[in-house]
Amino acid sequence: QVQLQESGPGLVKPSETLSLTCSVSGGSISGYYWTWIRQSPGKGLEWIGYIYYSGTTNYNPSLKSRVTISVDTSKNQFSLKLNSVTAADTAVYYCAKFYSSSWFNWFDPWGQGTLVTVSS
Amino acid sequence: EIVLTQSPGALSLSPGERATLSCRASQSVSRSYLAWYQQKPGQAPRLLIYGASSRATGIPDRFSGSGSGTDFNLTISRLEPEDFAVYYCQQYDSPPPVFTFGPGTKVDIK
Repeated sequence: QVQLQESGPGLVKPSETLSLTCSVSGGSISGYYWTWIRQSPGKGLEWIGYIYYSGTTNYNPSLKSRVTISVDTSKNQFSLKLNSVTAADTAVYYCAKFYSSSWFNWFDPWGQGTLVTVSS
Repeated sequence: EIVLTQSPGALSLSPGERATLSCRASQSVSRSYLAWYQQKPGQAPRLLIYGASSRATGIPDRFSGSGSGTDFNLTISRLEPEDFAVYYCQQYDSPPPVFTFGPGTKVDIK
């Protein structure tokens, strides 16, 4: 079964770019949608954006100006970049598989999450 | 943007009791796009229910979802020790595509 694992720096300085990668194992990234979600004590669970394996993306309007999600099918990975970070971007960042159809959609499974702290 | 409100914020129950969790939306939500997740401490959320009432693969039948429009419920018929966790509802709306989560209901042991 598909498993996801986030990786990247746990500490990012204010105004810099947060960069995370999600490695997918147990299945191919091709043919599916993939997503990033974050969780902070202040804002709870917040959807960041999703990407189709072909590269089509959709982002949360509240973060759209700062977010880029990309995919590398050769490595079975997808990535998140969030620029101009502030302390408000401190959160646990999750990657997940996004199932989408005309009738239903859901996020499952999820990676274990990685804590990113924004601090100087 | 559709805002989800969950009540109660916390629920203290004993194993074997029934739990009813509420999720209310600020505007009507399509049943198809209402999901419930369970999160235990230190773990990622896990999908329980999709399409408001369909159980995800491997989810025990003591979990059930119901509702439509702006009011949805998650019911756990008889609480098992492993069910004490935080539960989130989540909806999808478009255009543009946006997913939002409720603030969660914590179910803890009385």
